[in-house]
Amino acid sequence: AQTVTQSQPEMSVQEAETVTLSCTYDTSESNYYLFWYKQPPSRQMILVIRQEAYKQQNATENRFSVNFQKAAKSFSLKISDSQLGDTAMYFCAFAAGNKLTFGGGTRVLVKP
Amino acid sequence: GAVVSQHPSWVICKSGTSVKIECRSLDFQATTMFWYRQFPKQSLMLMATSNEGSKATYEQGVEKDKFLINHASLTLSTLTVTSAHPEDSSFYICSATPMGDRETQYFGPGTRLLVL
Repeated sequence: AQTVTQSQPEMSVQEAETVTLSCTYDTSESNYYLFWYKQPPSRQMILVIRQEAYKQQNATENRFSVNFQKAAKSFSLKISDSQLGDTAMYFCAFAAGNKLTFGGGTRVLVKP
Repeated sequence: GAVVSQHPSWVICKSGTSVKIECRSLDFQATTMFWYRQFPKQSLMLMATSNEGSKATYEQGVEKDKFLINHASLTLSTLTVTSAHPEDSSFYICSATPMGDRETQYFGPGTRLLVL
């Protein structure tokens, strides 16, 4: 079974600064996908970024980028130029096949 | 693109009644739909996976007679909470995967259920 661990329950960052969220996972699969989802106070789950394990290049989406270290089974998310609207719960997730395994989440608070 | 809707967003019901929640993929056909439950300040817990025209696959510990799932078409799945009790009060979220991208799930906005 796969496990996903997010070791930081809460983080705060000043507006316009950068914050990095950590995520580690454990799997014996060789082909899989990793995701970061954002859940703002509205509770709508929003896909932030996804990474295919077979791709060495780190995924980026505007101000969001990942650092994917396959050997270390690490998948961190960097939020650059943080905005107030980035305040949310962030979940790291793993998929091998069509089921998602979620981490426990990291609450991010962006301060003005 | 990849929009999923859920209806209703809020429902309050009396103990013993049944409640139906709809999940629709609005701009794509969904190979598979999923139902999750989320308790306050916790992660999502997968309840069941459903494919169009097939019986749902329930996760261990989820009562299939309590949580009835129907996946009638490639764009619609329903979750019926039968004989609801206060302990069924929760936030229920559905997701769907588009054809050709079975790994990526797109989520609905969730349904908050309160059973009195």
